[in-house]
Amino acid sequence: QQQVKQSPQSLIVQKGGISIINCAYENTAFDYFPWYQQFPGKGPALLIAIRPDVSEKKEGRFTISFNKSAKQFSLHIMDSQPGDSATYFCAASRASKIIFGSGTRLSIRP
Amino acid sequence: GAGVSQSPSNKVTEKGKDVELRCDPISGHTALYWYRQSLGQGLEFLIYFQGNSAPDKSGLPSDRFSAERTGGSVSTLTIQRTQQEDSAVYLCASSSVAFNNGELFFGEGSRLTVL
Repeated sequence: QQQVKQSPQSLIVQKGGISIINCAYENTAFDYFPWYQQFPGKGPALLIAIRPDVSEKKEGRFTISFNKSAKQFSLHIMDSQPGDSATYFCAASRASKIIFGSGTRLSIRP
Repeated sequence: GAGVSQSPSNKVTEKGKDVELRCDPISGHTALYWYRQSLGQGLEFLIYFQGNSAPDKSGLPSDRFSAERTGGSVSTLTIQRTQQEDSAVYLCASSSVAFNNGELFFGEGSRLTVL
């Protein structure tokens, strides 16, 4: 019940394309779903987050889609750029407990 | 700077030696987490400190691992009798009171290599 399953493990997208990363959770008690972005040699940094009372949140080129009934959420990166190449982690949290997915290594081809 | 600071950034040690990794959280942040990131893997929760409460040690993989947080600020993660499987990047993160928005601020990590 504590797992967060993330896919794909790696993803290659052409510049200008749409990158899509998917996550699924089991514990319905989770009430906050952040995405973190990590560049090589750096710690992860919060990118965008959503609460389960909304189905979508958009910030610039980044959008989270949230399906509460399916217990799934996804990150969409529109007009993907080489600077978006990084590892992305989804997460699910409640209070102090935060569980991370296994990460997706995204490469954007110029 | 005002971010989370970790030291050392890199540590190479021999199997069986003890190591200490240090984390300076953001000033005023009462919550502090340690995570382990193995090569190409996700973030494995190790331990969580919140203020003066008893730490959540549920993620520590063995009794060779321990952590302290002194004065509600600096934290030290200690690994005794290191093994090769302990090789990983150890990440520290801090968060403001009551974890109200889920944002963790991570340091750049301490890369541990056990030979």
